[in-house]
Amino acid sequence: NAGVTQTPKFRILKIGQSMTLQCAQDMNHNYMYWYRQDPGMGLKLIYYSVGAGITDKGEVPNGYNVSRSTTEDFPLRLELAAPSQTSVYFCASSPPRDIQNIQYFGAGTRLSVL
Amino acid sequence: GQQLNQSPQSMFIQEGEDVSMNCTSSSIFNTWLWYKQDPGEGPVLLIALYKAGELTSNGRLTAQFGITRKDSFLNISASIPSDVGIYFCAGLGTSGSRLTFGEGTQLTVNP
Repeated sequence: NAGVTQTPKFRILKIGQSMTLQCAQDMNHNYMYWYRQDPGMGLKLIYYSVGAGITDKGEVPNGYNVSRSTTEDFPLRLELAAPSQTSVYFCASSPPRDIQNIQYFGAGTRLSVL
Repeated sequence: GQQLNQSPQSMFIQEGEDVSMNCTSSSIFNTWLWYKQDPGEGPVLLIALYKAGELTSNGRLTAQFGITRKDSFLNISASIPSDVGIYFCAGLGTSGSRLTFGEGTQLTVNP
């Protein structure tokens, strides 16, 4: 079972470049999430989506954009990369809240902005 | 927003020792989850708790959902080297579908 798949695994960007971090899940989960994890820190929620066509801001949305055109995919867009966006990015998904609240994580995308 | 205080931040123990870590909050949570993150990987769920007072085991791991619904602890018995990693608590509040994560406990097990 694939679960949550993130691509790429690693990326180096120059300041001002843009890129899209891809996330796909094959578990038919309604809820999807993007987190960033800075060294020695916990997970901070960037954006989340409760279903196709619906997205909401998390704790740290500035500098990012998302879209959710299908149930399976939840890409994260960085328009003008900044050094402060150097981090590890995790995508997660979960079934609807009234069934269970467990989030399943991808393996992460390690991004450096130089 | 809701915050979780996870302690300790790091632990260095000898193989075979027992480990205990906990999370506390000023807010009430409906669900407590404990995740483990291996180096270079995403977090993986260890234990999920859904009722106040619930005590759940998964092999050598035991976690409890505090009676006040504001805290949870995770115990690891007879630690082994593969227990190394970062352990995160996460809580789901009463208002929505967003988990709040603790800052993590970095566990190092010396053989």
